[in-house]
Amino acid sequence: EAGVVQSPRYKIIEKKQPVAFWCNPISGHNTLYWYRQNLGQGPELLIRYENEEAVDDSQLPKDRFSAERLKGVDSTLKIQPAELGDSAVYLCASSLSAQETQYFGPGTRLLVL
Amino acid sequence: AQSVTQPDIHITVSEGASLELRCNYSYGATPYLFWYVQSPGQGLQLLLKYFSGDTLVQGIKGFEAEFKRSQSSFNLRKPSVHWSDAAEYFCAVAPRDNFNKFYFGSGTKLNVKP
Repeated sequence: EAGVVQSPRYKIIEKKQPVAFWCNPISGHNTLYWYRQNLGQGPELLIRYENEEAVDDSQLPKDRFSAERLKGVDSTLKIQPAELGDSAVYLCASSLSAQETQYFGPGTRLLVL
Repeated sequence: AQSVTQPDIHITVSEGASLELRCNYSYGATPYLFWYVQSPGQGLQLLLKYFSGDTLVQGIKGFEAEFKRSQSSFNLRKPSVHWSDAAEYFCAVAPRDNFNKFYFGSGTKLNVKP
């Protein structure tokens, strides 16, 4: 069974540019999460989806970050415009439901210059 | 507020030696407890979890963890470390009324000497 797929794996951009990350969860997983992991830190939840509905986006910086999961399957996380402090690894995870174990993708490593 | 402390940033052990990684949490009620491992370029993989019951939890790859309520700790152990265990280990907690609100510690990087 394929795991959580994320692309791209690496991205280097200049500040003020937009960037987007894509995540395809494990087939059949209704719950999808986006995390940000700063260097030397553990992941921090940005947003959680139940199917296509964002049920927890309290930690998402809404002035520059946006996310969507239009058909309740794959998801896109966007930053516009990117700032130097956005350099981090962006992790996607999925679970069968909100009460099940989360499975993580390999992440997208973003460097903002 | 939830907090998770992993006091050891780096640990080095010799192959074959025993291992214990520390995790302390701060929360009013006993949360759900997890240990994840992250190898370079890989996603986080769940090693084990504690919900209730037996306070000694067995996980994958020969790992175990013991929940100690009195110490608010959930330390990860392995009796004999293999070189392939070199990775970063994260402790995480989730409140019982919001299972998916994970709070991760800052991680412990494990090096294994041959």
